[in-house]
Amino acid sequence: SQQGEEDPQALSIQEGENATMNCSYKTSINNLQWYRQNSGRGLVHLILIRSNEREKHSGRLRVTLDTSKKSSSLLITASRAADTASYFCATANTDKLIFGTGTRLQVFP
Amino acid sequence: EADIYQTPRYLVIGTGKKITLECSQTMGHDKMYWYQQDPGMELHLIHYSYGVNSTEKGDLSSESTVSRIRTEHFPLTLESARPSHTSQYLCASSEYNKGSGELFFGEGSRLTVL
Repeated sequence: SQQGEEDPQALSIQEGENATMNCSYKTSINNLQWYRQNSGRGLVHLILIRSNEREKHSGRLRVTLDTSKKSSSLLITASRAADTASYFCATANTDKLIFGTGTRLQVFP
Repeated sequence: EADIYQTPRYLVIGTGKKITLECSQTMGHDKMYWYQQDPGMELHLIHYSYGVNSTEKGDLSSESTVSRIRTEHFPLTLESARPSHTSQYLCASSEYNKGSGELFFGEGSRLTVL
C-alpha cells in the first residue's frame, strides 16, 4: 500500500490565493519530499525536508513536517495560473521513495 | 532541466507484442527507478537499480523486466504486452551516495495496449 495519503484530492482556487496541501504517512522516515507534475509530463522535485527539520522555505513554497503526527503540509503562497498541476509528497525511509496519492491543484486566472 | 530521457513518449500496440521502453540519463547517477502511474495518479515503484548489473523488484509486482548493463541506460521490457499493461511508465534517477535524495524524472512513456 502507498506510504502517503494526501488531501485534498483536488483543490480549485483563484489566482493570488494560497493553496495548502497535506500529506500523512505511516512509518518513520529519513526525509519527505514534494514533487510537482504537469499534465502528461514527468515529476519535478520541489523541496526536501529532513526528519529533524520542522519547516523549510523555497520561494513561494513553505513546507512543514510534524514527525509526531506523521504529517507534512505544502503551502503555495500567492498562487498563479502556472501553478496548476498535481502535487505529490514522497517519503524516504530506506533507499526508496514512496509516493502519495497526489493533489490536483487548479488555479483560475 | 533534468538530463534523463525516455523513448518512446507514446506507444500504441496490439496484444502479444514485445516492447522495450528506453531510459537514458547523462548525469552519471548510480540509482535508477521505474514507476508505473495509474490514470488516477498514484505512482507505484516497479523496478530499481543501484548500479551496473544491479536490478531489484519494486513494491508493485510487474510482469516487466529491466536490465542495467551501462550506468546511463535502464530499459524496461514487456515480453508479451496485454491491455492490463496500459499505463504511464516513468523513469527516474538519483545519486546513490546521497541516500534517499532528489529524484530526476523523465517525461514518461505512455503505453496503450489494444
